[in-house]
Amino acid sequence: DIQMTQSPSSLSASVGDRVSITCRASQSISTYLNWYQHKPGKAPKLLIHSTGRLQSGVPSRFSGSGSGTEFTLTITHLQPEDFATYYCQQSYSPLITFGQGTRLEIK
Amino acid sequence: QVQLQESGPGLVKSSETLSLTCDVSGYSISSGYYWGWIRQPPGKGLEWIGSNSHSGNTYDNPSLKSRVTISLDTSKNQVSLKLRSVTAADTAVYYCARLRGSGSWPFDYWGQGTLVAVSS
Repeated sequence: DIQMTQSPSSLSASVGDRVSITCRASQSISTYLNWYQHKPGKAPKLLIHSTGRLQSGVPSRFSGSGSGTEFTLTITHLQPEDFATYYCQQSYSPLITFGQGTRLEIK
Repeated sequence: QVQLQESGPGLVKSSETLSLTCDVSGYSISSGYYWGWIRQPPGKGLEWIGSNSHSGNTYDNPSLKSRVTISLDTSKNQVSLKLRSVTAADTAVYYCARLRGSGSWPFDYWGQGTLVAVSS
């Protein structure tokens, strides 16, 4: 299995801040990397696919980068609605794996 | 607009089989794509359970030790999940989702999820 490791596990920030979340794969996954936002009681929401492509309707303050084994999700100008848990996910292998999640909290 | 809605018993007894259905609207599952199930145990992260395609190609999480069956009923436009021999560790919110069959194969549409508890 391809293991996905996110850091940090949790993060405190203020409205207006810029934050970055890192996701590392145990082997190269090219750019087969997706990011999701998950709020309690809601369905996870696809934010970014193919490492850096914004899903339709997602604000441009979200961006993704990376390739191979290291990837980054960046959120600029944090808004109140951005406080949630974020997951990376690889589909390079048909045995799909998610990172353990990064909880973004209000400072 | 593609919509997915999970349904099934909210309580299952230990050692029995968990059975869930996902009703898909706005898209015919026979037209293509893979369909998957993902779960989130209380206080934990997302865990992929398995995926199936309209052509019958199936994959499931090795950690579930072959207890999983995912099937597609094109006549009802439904995706189903069966998880055998459940234990308390299978208590979770279960989501169905569409796996976009291009690019990085993301899960682009999700159901709202259904909570299933396993009792002893």
